[in-house]
Amino acid sequence: GAVVSQHPSRVICKSGTSVKIECRSLDFQATTMFWYRQFPKQSLMLMATSNEGSKATYEQGVEKDKFLINHASLTLSTLTVTSAHPEDSSFYICSARGPGQETQYFGPGTRLLVL
Amino acid sequence: AQSVTQPDIHITVSEGASLELRCNYSYGATPYLFWYVQSPGQGLQLLLKYFSGDTLVQGIKGFEAEFKRSQSSFNLRKPSVHWSDAAEYFCAVGGDRDDKIIFGKGTRLHILP
Repeated sequence: GAVVSQHPSRVICKSGTSVKIECRSLDFQATTMFWYRQFPKQSLMLMATSNEGSKATYEQGVEKDKFLINHASLTLSTLTVTSAHPEDSSFYICSARGPGQETQYFGPGTRLLVL
Repeated sequence: AQSVTQPDIHITVSEGASLELRCNYSYGATPYLFWYVQSPGQGLQLLLKYFSGDTLVQGIKGFEAEFKRSQSSFNLRKPSVHWSDAAEYFCAVGGDRDDKIIFGKGTRLHILP
C-alpha cells in the first residue's frame, strides 16, 4: 500500500511555456502533500506543503506565483511551473501523507528540462 | 532549528563488507527520524523510521538504525552490503505528524566488487 504516482515522469518544454505535474495517491487519501525540488547530486529542498482544500504554504524563497500548487482532492495535487525558464530545470518530487500517518510516501519524481 | 548532518558525501565499501552511514540531527523536541534510499533518477524509498520505543529499529533490505539521544545520532547500518545497495541515502528528521521533515544532503554509497 501507500503508493504515490507522478505524471509525467519526464518533460521537455520551451522557455516561457507552463508545465503541469500531477501527484496522485493511489491507495490512500492524502490530506497533506509536499512538493520538493532536487538539483543534481543535491538533497531534496521542500518547496511547499499543501493541505486538501487549502492554499499551499510555501517555503521561504519559493515564488508562489511561479510554482502554482493545487490540492483539490484527497488524491491529487498539481504543481504548475509557469513561464518556465532553463533555471527551473530540475527533478521535482512529491510526497503524500494521509490522516494519522507519520510517514510521507514519495512519488517517483518528474524530471523537467526547459530549453 | 531543525537540521540534519550527513558528514560523509561518499562512502565506498566492498561487497559483503559491513556498512555504517552517519547521521546527526538537531531538533528541539523528540524527533521523528527517517532513512530513505534513492536510486539514480528515481524517487525515494523509505528504509526505516523511528518515532518512539525501541531505539534500534529494523528496516527493509536488511538495514537497521540506532537512535542515540545523547549523541543526537541515527546511524544506518547493514552487516553485509550487496552490489544492489549502491545508491544515495538520505537521513531526515521531523517533528510531530503535522510537521515537515528536513533532509540531510545525502551520502552516496559505492560498492566495490
